[in-house]
Amino acid sequence: EAQVTQNPRYLITVTGKKLTVTCSQNMNHEYMSWYRQDPGLGLRQIYYSMNVEVTDKGDVPEGYKVSRKEKRNFPLILESPSPNQTSLYFCASSPLGGSGANVLTFGAGSRLTVL
Amino acid sequence: GESVGLHLPTLSVQEGDNSIINCAYSNSASDYFIWYKQESGKGPQFIIDIRSNMDKRQGQRVTVLLNKTVKHLSLQIAATQPGDSAVYFCAILTGGGNKLTFGTGTQLKVEL
Repeated sequence: EAQVTQNPRYLITVTGKKLTVTCSQNMNHEYMSWYRQDPGLGLRQIYYSMNVEVTDKGDVPEGYKVSRKEKRNFPLILESPSPNQTSLYFCASSPLGGSGANVLTFGAGSRLTVL
Repeated sequence: GESVGLHLPTLSVQEGDNSIINCAYSNSASDYFIWYKQESGKGPQFIIDIRSNMDKRQGQRVTVLLNKTVKHLSLQIAATQPGDSAVYFCAILTGGGNKLTFGTGTQLKVEL
């Protein structure tokens, strides 16, 4: 089944404790992206990647890092989480060309709470 | 940059009625528009899309209308069913790039 898989789905952590949310897609998509979803603010882009070793900042990159060493994986790293990073996070991917270009497939979401 | 707004945060409709969810955008260079549906506890799912060279596109029970003059986009759902209850987002691509800007979402509630 074509899908985007995120882990963990739920996480409660404490301020300053580094964490990584993994994201993997099995559709051979070039484009991958991370969003956070907060009440009243919709989906805001954190980082995106057009291909392996190519990453760029989205609208709200502060406090986050990403890497794209392999095409299928795009982990989101919080080096020193803070309470304002408590949110629902979504990873998404899409092809860059052909039919389906720009149509994002989303993961199921990772709910993160930082105490 | 692009800004996207939805007209109503919540919309309640009776089962069987038609639903209309609206979205306004700011950038006249926007050239690709997508509607997503997000059910509780899940990630957004693609419903339908439309390019700027069209003003209407129909899918199964859904129709998207694009009015470029007033920069307005709408999603119409015919014969709304309980399974249509979800948050609906419009997303807009501008200038041939790969960045989609999302609206804040409209919660559709279907009353039996």
